[in-house]
This record gives sequence, C-alpha cells and structure tokens, in this order.
Amino acid sequence: GAVVSQHPSWVICKSGTSVKIECRSLDFQATTMFWYRQFPKQSLMLMATSNEGSKATYEQGVEKDKFLINHASLTLSTLTVTSAHPEDSSFYICSARGLYGYEQYFGPGTRLTVT
Amino acid sequence: QKEVEQNSGPLSVPEGAIASLNCTYSDRVSQSFFWYRQYSGKSPELIMSIYSNGDKEDGRFTAQLNKASQYVSLLIRDSQPSDSATYLCAVNRNTGFQKLVFGTGTRLLVSP
Repeated sequence: GAVVSQHPSWVICKSGTSVKIECRSLDFQATTMFWYRQFPKQSLMLMATSNEGSKATYEQGVEKDKFLINHASLTLSTLTVTSAHPEDSSFYICSARGLYGYEQYFGPGTRLTVT
Repeated sequence: QKEVEQNSGPLSVPEGAIASLNCTYSDRVSQSFFWYRQYSGKSPELIMSIYSNGDKEDGRFTAQLNKASQYVSLLIRDSQPSDSATYLCAVNRNTGFQKLVFGTGTRLLVSP
C-alpha cells in the first residue's frame, strides 16, 4: 500500500517552455501533497504544500508564479514549471500524506533538464 | 543550530555488522519521527516511523526514540551491501500542514 506515482519520470525541455509534472496517490486518498526539489548531492528542499481544493502554501523564496501547483482531487496534484530556465533543472519529487497518520510517501521523482 | 542534525558520514560497516545511525532534533514539541532511505538518484523511501519513547522493531531495523534527550536513532542489524544508501531522519512539525523537517542525511557504506 501507500504507492505514489509521478509522471513523467524524466523530461527535457527548451528554455522558456512550461513543463507539467503529475503526482498521483494510487491506493490511498491524499489530503496533503508536498513538492520537493533536490539538486545533486544536496538535501531535499520543500517547495510547497498543497491541500485538496485549496491554494498551495509556498516556502519562502519559492516563486509561486513560476511553480504553479494544483491539487485538483484527493489523488492528484500537479506542478507546472512555467518559463523554465536551465537553473530550474533539478530532481522534483512529490510526497503524499493520507487522511490518517503523519507518514509521507514519496513518488519516484521527475528529473527535469532545461536546455 | 539546525532543527534536525545528522552526521553526514560516510559510516562504514562490514557486512553482517550492526549499523547505528543517529539524529538529534531541536524542537521539543515534535511528536512524529521518521527514517527514510534514499539510494543515489532515487527518491526517499519510508523505512520506519516512531511516535513514542522506546524501541520499535521491524525486521532488521530498530528505531529508538528518546524525547527527553531529543534523540532518535536507527539500528540496522545484519547489514547488507544493499543497505548502502543515505538515511534521512525527519521530524514532524505538529503545526499547520504537518511539514517534515529533514536532516541532511547520513551516508552508509556496507562493505562485503
């Protein structure tokens, strides 16, 4: 149980384009989903927290107009990187927390490369 | 002082030995504690969660929590080369959206 999927697993895009990443909880309902970014050999960095049906809460320093998050249902959240630039190249990972308990279950991650 | 502190390692142990990973946290009101394993290039995987003082065992893994000392540890018995990874300690802030605060991780190397 507690499986989280992400799509795509990797994506290459050109500078200035937008990329959408999907995060789905497959076998449980996720009241809260979290989006992280991780650069090579660095720690996880929380970008934002989203609750189903509500606006996302962004961490300090994360541009909400650049990283659009939509938590449309209890099983789906999306992250859209708008007008991507090479410095946005990173490993983006979502996690989900269910209705009960405090555990967060991570998706497999999406590796974004902006050329 | 970092909110969650871990020794970055690497911690090197021979195959079959016990690996002991430690973590301290600064927020006294923290209630939930987690250990994640992260292989290079992969996302974190939940290994253990612990909420109460004492020990919690799951297979080869034992999590230990001491809230008075603000200390949580993970023991891995009969370590295998496949256990070589970075182990992340995470603490739940019992406020708002229940964000996890992660340590920077301890890299474990198990040699055959």
